[in-house]
Amino acid sequence: KNEVEQSPQNLTAQEGEFITINCSYSVGISALHWLQQHPGGGIVSLFMLSSGKKKHGRLIATINIQEKHSSLHITASHPRDSAVYICAAYNTDKLIFGTGTRLQVFP
Amino acid sequence: KAGVTQTPRYLIKTRGQQVTLSCSPISGHRSVSWYQQTPGQGLQFLFEYFSETQRNKGNFPGRFSGRQFSNSRSEMNVSTLELGDSALYLCVSSLATHNEQFFGPGTRLTVL
Repeated sequence: KNEVEQSPQNLTAQEGEFITINCSYSVGISALHWLQQHPGGGIVSLFMLSSGKKKHGRLIATINIQEKHSSLHITASHPRDSAVYICAAYNTDKLIFGTGTRLQVFP
Repeated sequence: KAGVTQTPRYLIKTRGQQVTLSCSPISGHRSVSWYQQTPGQGLQFLFEYFSETQRNKGNFPGRFSGRQFSNSRSEMNVSTLELGDSALYLCVSSLATHNEQFFGPGTRLTVL
């Protein structure tokens, strides 16, 4: 079993839909990152969370430390949101990555 | 403020050769980590340097090595390249441990 699990692995949506991507981890962490990677592109950090909730534009990230679970929400999804979303747990000086969720948003 | 830079961006090598990749972290950042991304294994931790000292190392063979210089720039070296070393190599810099992580654009290595 991976130390960081994401679900779903693949997600398709129509433009405007509300999207939720989940991340569960089994290791102790000091922070959790949500990352975005466009096809053939580099990785961009969206959020770093150690507790509670953060919001940036249409993106919202939450974390429940007791339940070892985090979610990334995208409100009013748009085709430009199509990308791979990766959660990464920061554990003992290194990031442990989930396998990613491939999101496709159709117009 | 300039971001994390990695050179070269693309590289093609043949089996048995060696390669050196370079990473310049954001100015003032002292922690540099390296990760390998492959389609089969996803993103995996290679090593982390802080103030010229390797603090943590992932589960990779000794062919993978790295170092960090006094200006925080880091290099990683892969000797005796194998086909399976074809990957995107990412450098991540941060101010210090447990701070926000900033990703470089990566070096895409192809081994033929």
